[in-house]
Amino acid sequence: NAGVTQTPKFQVLKTGQSMTLQCAQDMNHEYMSWYRQDPGMGLRLIHYSVGAGITDQGEVPNGYNVSRSTTEDFPLRLLSAAPSQTSVYFCASGRTGINQPQHFGDGTRLSIL
Amino acid sequence: AQKITQTQPGMFVQEKEAVTLDCTYDTSDQSYGLFWYKQPSSGEMIFLIYQGSYDEQNATEGRYSLNFQKARKSANLVISASQLGDSAMYFCAMREVRRGGFKTIFGAGTRLFVKA
Repeated sequence: NAGVTQTPKFQVLKTGQSMTLQCAQDMNHEYMSWYRQDPGMGLRLIHYSVGAGITDQGEVPNGYNVSRSTTEDFPLRLLSAAPSQTSVYFCASGRTGINQPQHFGDGTRLSIL
Repeated sequence: AQKITQTQPGMFVQEKEAVTLDCTYDTSDQSYGLFWYKQPSSGEMIFLIYQGSYDEQNATEGRYSLNFQKARKSANLVISASQLGDSAMYFCAMREVRRGGFKTIFGAGTRLFVKA
């Protein structure tokens, strides 16, 4: 089972460059989300989606764009990378329901120079 | 506004002893879900246990139990008989119903060290 697949695993960007972090899941989950993890701050929600064509902002959406054209894919776009966006990014998916846990990808470690 | 607070940045426990990791939350909703996840040094996120806001019994999953005190808005994780493999980061999370579906936020985490 592939589960939640994130690519790339590592990336170094220069300030001002753009990039798309890919996330795909093969579990037919309606719910998908993006988090960033920074030391001492836990996981902070960037954007989330409850199905194809539906997205909403999380706690820290500025500087990031998302779209959900299919159930399987939920890419995260950085339009103009900033050093403050250096972080580990996690994509997660899960079934709709208040009691449904999320399944996480392995993360993308992103450094902005 | 949602908020999850984990006040213990780091905790030490002796192997085979029990340990409690604290979590308090802030919400005005009546229906919500509370989760605990484990993140070992390898980085993956592992779901441990769930508690619903309407559940009257505390949730248990093997050596994990959740001490749910609704009036105090706390959802502490209890790990019994700690093992060396329990050394990891532990995150408390809350899910609420929001426009468009559900929204899950996490606390800052507690790093647990199990001593032999």
